Amino acid sequence: GAVVSQHPSRVICKSGTSVKIECRSLDFQATTMFWYRQFPKQSLMLMATSNEGSKATYEQGVEKDKFLINHASLTLSTLTVTSAHPEDSSFYICSAHDGNSPLHFGNGTRLTVT
Amino acid sequence: QKEVEQNSGPLSVPEGAIASLNCTYSDRGSQSFFWYRQYSGKSPELIMFIYSNGDKEDGRFTAQLNKASQYVSLLIRDSQPSDSATYLCAVNGGGADGLTFGKGTHLIIQP
Repeated sequence: GAVVSQHPSRVICKSGTSVKIECRSLDFQATTMFWYRQFPKQSLMLMATSNEGSKATYEQGVEKDKFLINHASLTLSTLTVTSAHPEDSSFYICSAHDGNSPLHFGNGTRLTVT
Repeated sequence: QKEVEQNSGPLSVPEGAIASLNCTYSDRGSQSFFWYRQYSGKSPELIMFIYSNGDKEDGRFTAQLNKASQYVSLLIRDSQPSDSATYLCAVNGGGADGLTFGKGTHLIIQP
């Protein structure tokens, strides 16, 4: 089945620094990738939709200048959390869609901002 | 605003019994329905998806969809302790849309 790889799995950074998270589709070309965030004991919340070669579409309340998304190829999307703060600490999960199959998720990135 | 509702649980079921998980959704235009299993600290894992009214069976799992009632359920037969997890219901409008998730039901299978 479709495999989505996400890296890093865990990152700790200091407040004010930026962190980049990569999401790769390994055995298919992902026309669309999605970025979700999950706080403890909460559901996954869609942050943005990333389309290859075009600007990402952000959900209401998500700051596009803080969460930079780049989908430069059909197999890679990156999420950069800029000027991270402790409240950005969360579990970030990407998923990829090839236009046909149900969404499959990466293994997630646990971000801790100190 | 699209909403997906699930009972958060915990739902406790004896080993070997049938676990029944329920979900309702607000957007009548929803086209695709998914059940994911999520272990603590891990990413969601796709269990079942269903697009049409009725039942869909895959091994011990059966997904049921009733679009008129805006209701989707997941039945797990012969429940095993390894089935203990949080089960997330998700829906989307079809095509390449992001999913709207419920908060999940915490299922505990008692040995």
